[in-house]
Amino acid sequence: DAKTTQPNSMESNEEEPVHLPCNHSTISGTDYIHWYRQLPSQGPEYVIHGLTSNVNNRMASLAIAEDRKSSTLILHRATLRDAAVYYCIRSYGKLTFGQGTILTVHP
Amino acid sequence: GAGVSQSPRYKVAKRGQDVALRCDPISGHVSLFWYQQALGQGPEFLTYFQNEAQLDKSGLPSDRFFAERPEGSVSTLKIQRTQQEDSAVYLCASSYPWGAGANVLTFGAGSRLTVL
Repeated sequence: DAKTTQPNSMESNEEEPVHLPCNHSTISGTDYIHWYRQLPSQGPEYVIHGLTSNVNNRMASLAIAEDRKSSTLILHRATLRDAAVYYCIRSYGKLTFGQGTILTVHP
Repeated sequence: GAGVSQSPRYKVAKRGQDVALRCDPISGHVSLFWYQQALGQGPEFLTYFQNEAQLDKSGLPSDRFFAERPEGSVSTLKIQRTQQEDSAVYLCASSYPWGAGANVLTFGAGSRLTVL
């Protein structure tokens, strides 16, 4: 099973950090963990991905558990433009999207 | 171009009509994916090309769905005899050689198909 488990929804306040969790307990050693987000009426947008080590880029940070069975996407300071559906995906060959987490950001 | 371009952005078809959806990937991106996204759901994989070769078409829901990429660049998703359940957003994505998943996908804005 290539799917991951994420909370259906989360809420945050503007300028606060957001931690979006993801469980992928059946991940294999060669699967990358990808995060994409989708704003209304747009295609998914790449956020970050990693294999074993924690990763940082200009958009976010990705913290991967030592056993790789879970990961957390960290938005350091949420803005209203970060309100979107966030998808955590194992790269099991093709990317298999689940339902994602709907992130609401309050002003 | 700078991004993945899809056309038309919106298409309304009567049940039974054939439709064709076009995808222009980023120049140099050899891998191309098609996804279907129903309202309120995550994208569902349809098919995958590496250059002109269709390497995976396991997600195509029926033989009414057909995709091609004859010259390894532009791709067309064709749906014959459309049904109401085909109503969805069809997303195209491209990347450098996909391989083990180390590369990332760039998605287009999608083509929204409504079948009446």
